[in-house]
Amino acid sequence: QQPVQSPQAVILREGEDAVINCSSSKALYSVHWYRQKHGEAPVFLMILLKGGEQKGHEKISASFNEKKQQSSLYLTASQLSYSGTYFCGTELRDDKIIFGKGTRLHILP
Amino acid sequence: SAVISQKPSRDICQRGTSLTIQCQVDSQVTMMFWYRQQPGQSLTLIATANQGSEATYESGFVIDKFPISRPNLTFSTLTVSNLSPEDSSIYLCSVEKPTGGGYSYNEQFFGPGTRLTVL
Repeated sequence: QQPVQSPQAVILREGEDAVINCSSSKALYSVHWYRQKHGEAPVFLMILLKGGEQKGHEKISASFNEKKQQSSLYLTASQLSYSGTYFCGTELRDDKIIFGKGTRLHILP
Repeated sequence: SAVISQKPSRDICQRGTSLTIQCQVDSQVTMMFWYRQQPGQSLTLIATANQGSEATYESGFVIDKFPISRPNLTFSTLTVSNLSPEDSSIYLCSVEKPTGGGYSYNEQFFGPGTRLTVL
């Protein structure tokens, strides 16, 4: 039931783009994206709902393919502050969010 | 948004003892969640706590080991009982709140976590 994230880790130079993928074996009601910096709590980035509704971050975008039960997070023109571990969380319409294993993103100056 | 505090922020406990973690939210919420995060790992849902009813536990977690209280709409406690070194982890509470602004869904907010080390 845990969503699968890929890649497991990414190293980028500042200004480069990254895509993080999340897929589920179950039909999804929504997909949530969080970023967690070392030693801190996860922070909400984006939510994508079945049907197309979404709310997100001004410099981060995401897509949600309901048929394929997949979501992708797009980080463009990455900044040093984007470093951290990104988690996707999938909701199966029971208000519980199950998180993937995370993708570690490291931005080099 | 929601501001969540947890106590203690960290603790070192002896094997066989118990630790109770408190979670306080700055506003009333219906659902509160308890997660465990082992170092460098994902967030694993332990249980969902609704005020006025018994907590709902996820597979692999039982009430005897992780008793939860939810006495009101702003507070919850998680006790980790009969501690063993395998319980060493970060425990986070989380709440859902309507995102507002005409959107029809909830955002989930996390507390700062409690780092537990069991010797």
